[in-house]
This record gives sequence, structure tokens and C-alpha cells, in this order.
Amino acid sequence: EPEVTQTPSHQVTQMGQEVILRCVPISNHLYFYWYRQILGQKVEFLVSFYNNEISEKSEIFDDQFSVERPDGSNFTLKIRSTKLEDSAMYFCASSAWEGNTEAFFGQGTRLTVV
Amino acid sequence: QKEVEQNSGPLSVPEGAIASLNCTYSDRGSQSFFWYRQYSGKSPELIMFIYSNGDKEDGRFTAQLNKASQYVSLLIRDSQPSDSATYLCAVYQDTGRRALTFGSGTRLQVQP
Repeated sequence: EPEVTQTPSHQVTQMGQEVILRCVPISNHLYFYWYRQILGQKVEFLVSFYNNEISEKSEIFDDQFSVERPDGSNFTLKIRSTKLEDSAMYFCASSAWEGNTEAFFGQGTRLTVV
Repeated sequence: QKEVEQNSGPLSVPEGAIASLNCTYSDRGSQSFFWYRQYSGKSPELIMFIYSNGDKEDGRFTAQLNKASQYVSLLIRDSQPSDSATYLCAVYQDTGRRALTFGSGTRLQVQP
């Protein structure tokens, strides 16, 4: 069964460092998303991406964040100058159709900023 | 602020019983409704989606939608201990921000 894969599963970084979280969406999907979940809190939308550009972004997704689809398969989230409060699970998701219809999530990357 | 509200639980049911999970949402423009299951430390897993008023059944799961009351529910029949997880209600708005808004989830415990 096709699945969204994310790497790494766990990333520890020092405050102020840059991290890149990687995702391989399901191959025939066209819409890609990043969500995050701070421990014990709700899953929160960060950004959606379609046709090589950002479709929507939340107020969380400020200049510290960027997304890129560097090739035909990978979808990355870059966090510049990480802060302690960036520690969370980051989930990549993809869907075949617009509207998050049947969005499938990857297993997540646990980011710990120390 | 568009909100999705769920009772955090835990909801405790005996094995074999029906578990009923509820969700309300604030945005009347919401069009699509999803139930995800999340085991502790894992990612959300899509189990049901519903777009139209009424019931939708898939195996042991039934999703119910009432747009007039802005209410979505998930029934799990013949609950199993393996169903013990947090169930997330998610709502998609076609206008404004086109993204899923999640509730905080209801923790379900199925007692053997």
C-alpha cells in the first residue's frame, strides 16, 4: 500500500541551528502539506503546496520556515534558526485532490531543540 | 477563529460495546469531515470521511453528519482493545484557509 515516508524519524538540534525535514509523498498525489503537533496539543496546519508553490500557510508558518520540492519525489520543510518552541512532531501529508480530501500522513519526524 | 471541539475523555467502554465519539465545529462553511485515529507517539491514520448529511458506514465504523447542528460523530461497533487510541475529528473548509482544522481528540479506552 502506498505511503508517505518521512526522514529522519527523530532529529535533535541545538537552538539556532537550521534543520531540514524530508518527506516523500505518495507518488500520484499532487497536494502536499506539513502539520505539526506539540506534545499533548492539537495537530496544527503549517502549509500546503501544489504545483511547486505554496497554496496556503498558517500564521505559524513565518519567515523562519520554508518548503521546497527539489526534485520529483521529495518535499522538504526547512526551519531556520530553530527555537525551543519548535520542538514538536512534524507530519507530512499528501492527497490526490484539492481540499485535503483523504489526506494521508507520514509517520512523522520528532524534532527536539535543545 | 474556526474551532473544532471534542471531549478529551477518556471514554471508557467494555470490549464488544459501541463507542460513540462526538465532534462539533463552528464554521458553517465546512464541507468535508474526517476521523483520524492516533496511537500514542504515532501519526494520524485516516479511518473515515463524510461529506453529506446522514450516515456513512465502513465495517465497524459509522460516521454521522448533521450540518444543521454542526455535529459529526463516529460510532465504533464491537469495540476491541486495539481500538484504544485518540480519535481526532478534522474539518476542511473550502473557503478561507483551505486546510484541515483538527480537534484536540477524544481518548478511547476499550476495557477487555
